[in-house]
Amino acid sequence: AAGVIQSPRHLIKEKRETATLKCYPIPRHDTVYWYQQGPGQDPQFLISFYEKMQSDKGSIPDRFSAQQFSDYHSELNMSSLELGDSALYFCASSRGTGGNQAFFGQGTRLTVV
Amino acid sequence: EDQVTQSPEALRLQEGESSSLNCSYTVSGLRGLFWYRQDPGKGPEFLFTLYSAGEEKEKERLKATLTKKESFLHITAPKPEDSATYLCAVQATGYNQGGKLIFGQGTELSVKP
Repeated sequence: AAGVIQSPRHLIKEKRETATLKCYPIPRHDTVYWYQQGPGQDPQFLISFYEKMQSDKGSIPDRFSAQQFSDYHSELNMSSLELGDSALYFCASSRGTGGNQAFFGQGTRLTVV
Repeated sequence: EDQVTQSPEALRLQEGESSSLNCSYTVSGLRGLFWYRQDPGKGPEFLFTLYSAGEEKEKERLKATLTKKESFLHITAPKPEDSATYLCAVQATGYNQGGKLIFGQGTELSVKP
């Protein structure tokens, strides 16, 4: 079965650089979520989109922005990177937002040096 | 404030030694409670969704139950391949919740042969 695809899997950036993470949801899933997971921590919700509109916003820094495109894929743009942005970034997708299970991708490991 | 607390933080079992993981939650209104399994460096893998008190779900050696305040993940006769971090998450009702998941800190399970 098709799963959530994230790219790239690994990314190394220097401080103050910009990074773009991509997420391709499971076919027919219309909702995308972004989570950040630091070492030894639980996933923290960043932002979500339903039918290409932002549906909820969590602890996402102003330096980050995201959008969902007409084909339902999503991109997380991160600017002015800081050392503290180093983490695993997960994308998840679901069909709607009403209690349906979300399936996660394998994540992008971002390292800021 | 919506909150999820898991216990214990870490659990070491011998192969075949059954046990339970606890997830206590405080949420304004519960839309769903989710259990995920996460291996190191990988994305959370969906296990169960529970929606109402008294509900139970089973999958192989795992059984999840739900009350109005907590959920349990029972592991019967575990095997070394069950070693992973088990995450509990809740999805709350309410306007503009967007379906985000609020995660607990996880229980790191280690099963020794």
